Amino acid sequence: DTAVSQTPKYLVTQMGNDKSIKCEQNLGHDTMYWYKQDSKKFLKIMFSYNNKELIINETVPNRFSPKSPDKAHLNLHINSLELGDSAVYFCASSQGQRRWETQYFGPGTRLLVL
Amino acid sequence: KQEVTQIPAALSVPEGENLVLNCSFTDSAIYNLQWFRQDPGKGLTSLLLIQSSQREQTSGRLNASLDKSSGRSTLYIAASQPGDSATYLCAVEGVWDNAGNMLTFGGGTRLMVKP
Repeated sequence: DTAVSQTPKYLVTQMGNDKSIKCEQNLGHDTMYWYKQDSKKFLKIMFSYNNKELIINETVPNRFSPKSPDKAHLNLHINSLELGDSAVYFCASSQGQRRWETQYFGPGTRLLVL
Repeated sequence: KQEVTQIPAALSVPEGENLVLNCSFTDSAIYNLQWFRQDPGKGLTSLLLIQSSQREQTSGRLNASLDKSSGRSTLYIAASQPGDSATYLCAVEGVWDNAGNMLTFGGGTRLMVKP
């Protein structure tokens, strides 16, 4: 009964490959997010979707393409993976996109690009 | 552009000590500040949220204060326990954000409480 789940938990792949990370939330929330946590542990927002519509796109390379088939899912597809893409990717959701809405985070997907 | 800094980066204390974690931000035009806890292999858990009009929030042994004008927040943990060991992150939501609910995170403080 995990609130925000991500698959896979670990992903090791070669440079140049294309991979996807899936995120699902069962909280009935309208808004979902993708964050990237780099090696220095800084979390930076990448994308935000509200009711399947893109709200935030924070200067992320267009090799990253989020897809929201429905409100409960926000998947992240990455083309032509590069070494610098190695990081932990967190999905999150909130009831809405208003200020002060608490965000609930998934466990993270650890991506290693070799 | 908003920058959030947390000091110290790591902290090790014996069980029972009271401790303070610091967070500073460069742009005081914020809507709110949140403190999160991150456990290894798990997602973030929201601990406390302070609105820009508030000075502090309390939850159990945790007390967070906010001084918006000086760009500072502290998280006070009373009577620390080994179960408090985790990484603590602060994040701010700025008024310069048009889209709503966009958080800027600090680098975190890794806390170890020794039995």
